[in-house]
Amino acid sequence: DIVMTQTPLSLSVTPGQPASISCKSSQSLLHSDGKTYLYWYLQKPGQPPQLLIYEVSNRFSGVPDRFSGSGSGTDFTLKISRVEAEDVGVYYCMQSIQLPYTFGQGTKLEIK
Amino acid sequence: QVQLQESGPGLVKPSQTLSLTCTVSGGSISSGGYYWSWIRQHPGKGLEWIGYIYYSGSTYYNPSLKSRVTISVDTSKNQFSLKLSSVTAADTAVYYCARGSSSFPGWFDPWGQGTLVTVSS
Repeated sequence: DIVMTQTPLSLSVTPGQPASISCKSSQSLLHSDGKTYLYWYLQKPGQPPQLLIYEVSNRFSGVPDRFSGSGSGTDFTLKISRVEAEDVGVYYCMQSIQLPYTFGQGTKLEIK
Repeated sequence: QVQLQESGPGLVKPSQTLSLTCTVSGGSISSGGYYWSWIRQHPGKGLEWIGYIYYSGSTYYNPSLKSRVTISVDTSKNQFSLKLSSVTAADTAVYYCARGSSSFPGWFDPWGQGTLVTVSS
């Protein structure tokens, strides 16, 4: 299985400040079709996960543009340009280039 | 819009079979382009993908659970189901059903609210 490793596991951010989460995969997520199968999900407290970013850098419908994803191969980053109170929760990266799909351990974002 | 809702017993005894159903509303489970997944989350832990099924019945299971998992679909009821046999306390988790996209593997939306299943005697 592909191992997804996120850092940090937790971060505390002042509203209005940026935040960044790293995700590294044990194998390249670049497929021969040219796509990179890296997704980001946010699980808000008491809710199921919700899709934020698909294929590295594409924001899902309704996701604010303060969220951005970048990276290639095995190294990826989720950035929040200006953290808001509603962004609290646990962020997960996930790979779907190879079955079984696997998730990172999660990064818990708290507001200072 | 499409909504998913899990249902089933919240308590299962060790060695028995966990059975959950996901009811799809607002859309047809038989519409092409989607696969229907189960994902679980151990208490306070991360996410584990269990497997998926296409409306045609083809399946893929996580090898870590493959010997114990069966996912089936009932298109007449617009439901799909999960069975996990020989459960132990390690199977205690919140179980989510989710719709996946065959065009975007890894795209899960929407999700059900999740149902907590506790394995205990």
